[in-house]
Amino acid sequence: DIVMTQTPLSLSVTPGQPASISCKSSQSLLHSDGKTYLYWYLQKPGQSPQLLIYEVSSRFSGVPDRFSGSGSGTDFTLKISRVEAEDVGVYYCMQGIHLPHTFGQGTKLEIK
Amino acid sequence: EVQLVQSGAEVKKPGESLKISCKGSGYSFTSYWIGWVRQMPGKGLEWMGIIYPGDSDTRYSPSFQGQVTISADKSISTAYLQWSSLKASDTAMYYCARRSRGGLLDYWGQGTLVTVSS
Repeated sequence: DIVMTQTPLSLSVTPGQPASISCKSSQSLLHSDGKTYLYWYLQKPGQSPQLLIYEVSSRFSGVPDRFSGSGSGTDFTLKISRVEAEDVGVYYCMQGIHLPHTFGQGTKLEIK
Repeated sequence: EVQLVQSGAEVKKPGESLKISCKGSGYSFTSYWIGWVRQMPGKGLEWMGIIYPGDSDTRYSPSFQGQVTISADKSISTAYLQWSSLKASDTAMYYCARRSRGGLLDYWGQGTLVTVSS
């Protein structure tokens, strides 16, 4: 199985400040079709996970533009340009190139 | 609007059987895979397996192969996750999600909490 490793595992951020989460995969997520199947999800407290970013850097419908994704191959980053109170929760990366698909351990974002 | 509506919370005893459901609407149910994800109390997300309702093709994570059964009834746009003999360690929230191109889980159900306790 592909192992997804996120750092840090927790983050405390002052509103208005940026935040960054790293996700590294044990194998390349670049498919032969040229796409990279790396996704980011946010699970807000008491809610189902929700899709933020697909294929490394594309924002899902309705996701604010303060969220951005970047990276290639095995190294990926989710950035929040200015954290807001509603951004609290646990962020997960997930790979969709090889079965079984796998998630990172999660990064808990708190507001200072 | 794409929606996945899951069945309600369950409380069961060890050794009992259980089948939970996930009903899709707002899209062509037979054209997308449905995935199941486990979240044990206070823990992260674990990908369990997927099913293609169009032909019932099913793939399991090795961690869950033989432990659960995933099925679907396309006539009622519903996918299922079932256990033949529950264990206390099956206590968790279970989510279904629509799987799109490239393994993307784009729309999620609200979750079904399964509690197994004697």
